[in-house]
Amino acid sequence: QKEVEQNSGPLSVPEGAIASLNCTYSDRGSQSFFWYRQYSGKSPELIMFIYSNGDKEDGRFTAQLNKASQYVSLLIRDSQPSDSATYLCAGDSGAGSYQLTFGKGTKLSVIP
Amino acid sequence: DVKVTQSSRYLVKRTGEKVFLECVQDMDHENMFWYRQDPGLGLRLIYFSYDVKMKEKGDIPEGYSVSREKKERFSLILESASTNQTSMYLCASSWTGDQPQHFGDGTRLSIL
Repeated sequence: QKEVEQNSGPLSVPEGAIASLNCTYSDRGSQSFFWYRQYSGKSPELIMFIYSNGDKEDGRFTAQLNKASQYVSLLIRDSQPSDSATYLCAGDSGAGSYQLTFGKGTKLSVIP
Repeated sequence: DVKVTQSSRYLVKRTGEKVFLECVQDMDHENMFWYRQDPGLGLRLIYFSYDVKMKEKGDIPEGYSVSREKKERFSLILESASTNQTSMYLCASSWTGDQPQHFGDGTRLSIL
């Protein structure tokens, strides 16, 4: 059973701080990873994707991938109250698969 | 931008009714997916389709069926609605299994 594990939280950080969200995955065949943000009552929205080991930056967001450790993370710099949401990590299910495997999400609260 | 449109945001039906949820995507994506999302359980895959008229069971197909007669449209059918099918239903589409999935706004379905 392929799994993506996330700490459910809630993770609370003060406004302006760095929020660090973590994810581990079980399938060594997974190559592509995605971070989604989901506000309460809304659908998931893609915010970052990463395919290669290392860091990928987009504005205040940085995704990090370490395939040897099977670990993916999302850093949010200068956290804002509007970043308060549940963040879902997802990975592809290996060559020839059509699906993504989603974690259950980490709830982030940014305290003003 | 990818647009995935679900036919209803909110729907209320009675136990035993046959319920149709419709989803349309405008990006010529090959793959389409139906999920349900319940508190604490994360996203659970009901069915997916990788081509017209092709369908595959996901993790929780019991009580559901799907139809994909055209590439852009994927329908979820609750054959005989039951109260335990009250949930948020999310449709998604993607190019390939290692590409991000794009979600519709969701349908919050209540079965009374």
